[in-house]
Amino acid sequence: EAQVTQNPRYLITVTGKKLTVTCSQNMNHEYMSWYRQDPGLGLRQIYYSMNVEVTDKGDVPEGYKVSRKEKRNFPLILESPSPNQTSLYFCASTSSGSHNEQFFGPGTRLTVL
Amino acid sequence: SQKIEQNSEALNIQEGKTATLTCNYTNYSPAYLQWYRQDPGRGPVFLLLIRENEKEKRKERLKVTFDTTLKQSLFHITASQPADSATYLCALDLSGGYNKLIFGAGTRLAVHP
Repeated sequence: EAQVTQNPRYLITVTGKKLTVTCSQNMNHEYMSWYRQDPGLGLRQIYYSMNVEVTDKGDVPEGYKVSRKEKRNFPLILESPSPNQTSLYFCASTSSGSHNEQFFGPGTRLTVL
Repeated sequence: SQKIEQNSEALNIQEGKTATLTCNYTNYSPAYLQWYRQDPGRGPVFLLLIRENEKEKRKERLKVTFDTTLKQSLFHITASQPADSATYLCALDLSGGYNKLIFGAGTRLAVHP
């Protein structure tokens, strides 16, 4: 089944404790993105990647890092999480077909205390 | 900066009627615009893409229009059903097709029997 998977789905952590949210897609897509979703603000792009080893900042990259060493994986790293990074995070991958359709993962709900 | 606006208030309609949702944007000429559906606690699901040189796109009961002069897209669901109740998001491509997207905050649609 074609899908985007994220882990963990839920995470409660404390300020300053480094964490990684994994994202994997099995559709051989070149483009992948990370978003955060907050009430009233909608989805905001954190980082996106056009291919292996090619990444660029989205609208809200501060406090986040990403890497794209393999085509299928695009982990999101929070080196020193803070409470304002409490949010719902989505990973997405994009088909290169005519619709540029984004396939979203199930989301990771992160709480930073 | 780029701004994208959707009706912030929920749209309530009767089953069988046509729902019309609005997406307005400023300060940019996007290569394309997409519409997504999001159910509570889930990732968005792609519905339709319309390009800057297209006026209208249809898919089953869905219709999207794109007026680049007015900087507006309208999203219509005809013969609406309670199962259509969800939040609908519009998204603009800001990178000429390289998948740097900006999303609206979404409009919640409730279809009543």
